[in-house]
Amino acid sequence: GEDVEQSLFLSVREGDSSVINCTYTDSSSTYLYWYKQEPGAGLQLLTYIFSNMDMKQDQRLTVLLNKKDKHLSLRIADTQTGDSAIYFCAAYGGATNKLIFGTGTLLAVQP
Amino acid sequence: GAVVSQHPSWVICKSGTSVKIECRSLDFQATTMFWYRQFPKQSLMLMATSNEGSKATYEQGVEKDKFLINHASLTLSTLTVTSAHPEDSSFYICSARREGSTEAFFGQGTRLTVV
Repeated sequence: GEDVEQSLFLSVREGDSSVINCTYTDSSSTYLYWYKQEPGAGLQLLTYIFSNMDMKQDQRLTVLLNKKDKHLSLRIADTQTGDSAIYFCAAYGGATNKLIFGTGTLLAVQP
Repeated sequence: GAVVSQHPSWVICKSGTSVKIECRSLDFQATTMFWYRQFPKQSLMLMATSNEGSKATYEQGVEKDKFLINHASLTLSTLTVTSAHPEDSSFYICSARREGSTEAFFGQGTRLTVV
């Protein structure tokens, strides 16, 4: 089945850019998502990209997709302390028709 | 975006009792709902997928008799943890998807503590 991996932790200074990486294994995944989870809360959808795209920009967020390498990244420009949270990537579609989550990356933004 | 409401946000129960968690789509009809479990500092583990009016499909290793899922209407799915034990303590999150859409909207989660 689908396996989605992320690095566990990223620390950046306020104002810098953050880049969170994700890899997945099912090349037939049709949609790839980024979610944000704050402590004790549910998940907030940040953005998503369709598998036939290689880039999507939405205000401070830029998603890059390398379908050949099955690699997804989320770039947050001008990172703020309010961006501190856990970020999950998720892959949908393919053979399973399910939404499978990565391990999550804890983003810590230092003032 | 669409709103998914989960209730309760947190619950404490005694070992051996059953707990019901509700997941409602407030402004759309959810043909499919997913239930996830999240352990502290870990990712979300898909427990089961439920389609309105049919039996839920459980992931491998998830006991269907322990985690009863009902999706009786297009706006409501329930997860009942039967005969709860301390090891069932976890954060449970539902998500809902409307027909023809691949976008899933999440509830705020329910923190279950079994004492």
